[in-house]
Amino acid sequence: TQLLEQSPQFLSIQEGENLTVYCNSSSVFSSLQWYRQEPGEGPVLLVTVVTGGEVKKLKRLTFQFGDARKDSSLHITAAQPGDTGLYLCAGNSGGSNYKLTFGKGTLLTVNP
Amino acid sequence: NAGVTQTPKFQVLKTGQSMTLQCAQDMNHEYMSWYRQDPGMGLRLIHYSVGAGITDQGEVPNGYNVSRSTTEDFPLRLLSAAPSQTSVYFCASSIPSGRATGELFFGEGSRLTVL
Repeated sequence: TQLLEQSPQFLSIQEGENLTVYCNSSSVFSSLQWYRQEPGEGPVLLVTVVTGGEVKKLKRLTFQFGDARKDSSLHITAAQPGDTGLYLCAGNSGGSNYKLTFGKGTLLTVNP
Repeated sequence: NAGVTQTPKFQVLKTGQSMTLQCAQDMNHEYMSWYRQDPGMGLRLIHYSVGAGITDQGEVPNGYNVSRSTTEDFPLRLLSAAPSQTSVYFCASSIPSGRATGELFFGEGSRLTVL
């Protein structure tokens, strides 16, 4: 089983601060996804990265895939209370494998 | 826009009882899967299917059965419920991208408590 380690596990910040969460593995992934989950709901996809070194921006969110495709980061600029939620990374190992492996998540709270 | 529909949303069972969690999607997605989410454990894959008539095991399949008789439906069966199966269960579907799962669309979850 391929493992994805997310850090930090919990993060509580004030509105307007910047933050970065990390997703690391010893395994290579063919693609990596980031999801956000709000209480009582299922996760919703934010982004998919597939190329080593790739950087994608989604408004105030910046996603990076490591050169070796073993790690990824999510940076949020000027966090807002609406960014509060559980952030999950998930990776596909490729091959003939349709098993998407999830990290344990980072629970972010942005206080007004 | 129905998307992925799970029923029931809440269920309480006694140890040894059986039940089926229903999942239906109206997006004509080939890929469907079941995950369980436990505190501090993230999402763990139970079973998945890449099309009607095809199912395979995920990371934690023991105690669960699935079948895929139609593209739309992917029920999860607990034959003899145990307290360790207390969890929130999510069904998800997607259009596979090559040999990867692609974007997963999740249902709202089914919260199961086994006493």
